[in-house]
Amino acid sequence: DIQMTQSPSSVSASIGDRVTITCRASQDISTYLAWYQQRPGKAPNLLIFGASNLQSWVPSRFSGSGSGTDFTLTISSLQPEDFATYYCQQANSFLPPTFGGGTKVEI
Amino acid sequence: EMELVESGGLVVQPGGSLRLSCATSGFMFGDYTMHWVRQAPGRGLEWVSLITWNGNTAYYSDSVKGRFTISRDNRKNSLFLQMNRLRIEDTAFYYCAKDLGGGDSYYFHSWGQGTLVTVSS
Repeated sequence: DIQMTQSPSSVSASIGDRVTITCRASQDISTYLAWYQQRPGKAPNLLIFGASNLQSWVPSRFSGSGSGTDFTLTISSLQPEDFATYYCQQANSFLPPTFGGGTKVEI
Repeated sequence: EMELVESGGLVVQPGGSLRLSCATSGFMFGDYTMHWVRQAPGRGLEWVSLITWNGNTAYYSDSVKGRFTISRDNRKNSLFLQMNRLRIEDTAFYYCAKDLGGGDSYYFHSWGQGTLVTVSS
């Protein structure tokens, strides 16, 4: 199985801060990488797929980059609704799909 | 509007069985691969199983293989997960998720609200 390692596991930030979360795959996954946002008590929501493609509902302050084994999710200016846990997921066709351990963005 | 609604979560004893359902609406259910993903309380996400659009092919995580069976009814726009020989470590919120579609990758595009399965004596 492909292992996904996220860092940091948690980050404390303030409104307006730039936040960067990294995700590393244990082998080359090209750009088959997704990011999800999960607010407390809610289901995850797909933010980004294909490493850098934002879902239509996602504000432009979110961006994703990377390919191969190293990926980044950036929130350019943190807003109150962005406090949540973020997960990366490798979506390579080689099963199983696997998730990173999550990054909790908190005040 | 796309909607996925899971049901069937209960408290069950180790070794017991449970059947989860996911009723969907708002999209062409029969066109998409569907997944079950679980999350133990306070923990991360774990993919459980998928079934292709026509129900002909299913895959499972190693942790549930041989105990869980995924199925679907395209006439009723519904997804199912039969869970047998349940273990304490199967305790989790179970989410059904619609695949993004488009071919050779597995992205979880839309999710239900989840149903809680608790395995406890």
